[in-house]
Amino acid sequence: EAGVTQFPSHSVIEKGQTVTLRCDPISGHDNLYWYRRVMGKEIKFLLHFVKESKQDESGMPNNRFLAERTGGTYSTLKVQPAELEDSGVYFCASSQELANGELFFGEGSRLTVL
Amino acid sequence: EDQVTQSPEALRLQEGESSSLNCSYTVSGLRGLFWYRQDPGKGPEFLFTLYSAGEEKEKERLKATLTKKESFLHITAPKPEDSATYLCAVQEGSNYQLIWGAGTKLIIKP
Repeated sequence: EAGVTQFPSHSVIEKGQTVTLRCDPISGHDNLYWYRRVMGKEIKFLLHFVKESKQDESGMPNNRFLAERTGGTYSTLKVQPAELEDSGVYFCASSQELANGELFFGEGSRLTVL
Repeated sequence: EDQVTQSPEALRLQEGESSSLNCSYTVSGLRGLFWYRQDPGKGPEFLFTLYSAGEEKEKERLKATLTKKESFLHITAPKPEDSATYLCAVQEGSNYQLIWGAGTKLIIKP
């Protein structure tokens, strides 16, 4: 069974440019999450989809970040325009259940903003 | 503010030398506490869920325990392949997002 896949694995962009990260969850997982880890800090929650609906987007830092999950399958996270502080590793995870904390993570997309 | 604190930040052990990692938390209504393992360049990998004080879970050389304020991850007779960063996270009562600690980097020397 394929795991959670993320693309690209690493992206280097200039400040002010746009980047779109993609996540393909495990087939059949209704719950999809985005987390990120900036250098030297803990992993932080960004948002949570249930199918195509945003269940919780309280962790999105500002309106430069836009997440979508069209059709309840893959998800994209767009950063426009990117700022230096957006650099970090963006993790996507999926799960079947909400409460048991068993999330399946992708390997992450490392974003470097210069 | 909800907080998860892990200690130590790093731990070096000889192969076979048992030890414990600590995760202390301050949340208003714990829904669950979770341990994950993360290898370099990979995403976190789920290990255990603990829901209530007194609960214990075991997997191979790892055992996780939970009290009202902290959790311990005990590692018995570790092997070099147990080297990784161990992450603790909690779910607070009103939502399902995970609140993470900074992790403990464990290095097991052969």
